Amino acid sequence: AQRVTQPEKLLSVFKGAPVELKCNYSYSGSPELFWYVQYSRQRLQLLLRHISRESIKGFTADLNKGETSFHLKKPFAQEEDSAMYYCALNINTDKLIFGTGTRLQVFP
Amino acid sequence: GAGVSQSPRYKVAKRGRDVALRCDSISGHVTLYWYRQTLGQGSEVLTYSQSDAQRDKSGRPSGRFSAERPERSVSTLKIQRTEQGDSAVYLCASSSQDGGANVLTFGAGSRLTVL
Repeated sequence: AQRVTQPEKLLSVFKGAPVELKCNYSYSGSPELFWYVQYSRQRLQLLLRHISRESIKGFTADLNKGETSFHLKKPFAQEEDSAMYYCALNINTDKLIFGTGTRLQVFP
Repeated sequence: GAGVSQSPRYKVAKRGRDVALRCDSISGHVTLYWYRQTLGQGSEVLTYSQSDAQRDKSGRPSGRFSAERPERSVSTLKIQRTEQGDSAVYLCASSSQDGGANVLTFGAGSRLTVL
């Protein structure tokens, strides 16, 4: 069965510390993975996708097929990074399934 | 409009009543989705997909949830016989195929409170 797992509900760090939000997936096909972010009182929005291999707001995520992971990383967290982060898996180009989300809190 | 809009933004319903939530998506987007955020349970996001069809093609097993698409860019999520556990924020999203990737644009959500 297709599944996205985000093991941490809450991740708290201090400003300037490195951040890694974990995401593991289960899918027999070729995965398409995304990270979505929801800032306080804002809409859920796309942060980045693995096929673009891009860095957005200092965040990167590498698909590791061997470990079936797509962890989101940032070397130096900022207070404005505080938000809910959702890892998502695209299946059959028709549906996205989401993990349960990780709340990132960055303290000053 | 330029984005996805949802109405009502807030809805209070008595348990057992039926509720309808509306989503106006982006023109040209074929696929609409409904998701549910339940903050009290670890921010669970529930998937609920709908393709270019009058009726949804997947959804919650209870059958109380259904989605209709009276117009191409409009979807209505219907919840029958609401239960207190249905209290959540319901998000609508529409999909654009951008370079083969399924990228979603979300609405602001409709917050449902079932008393």
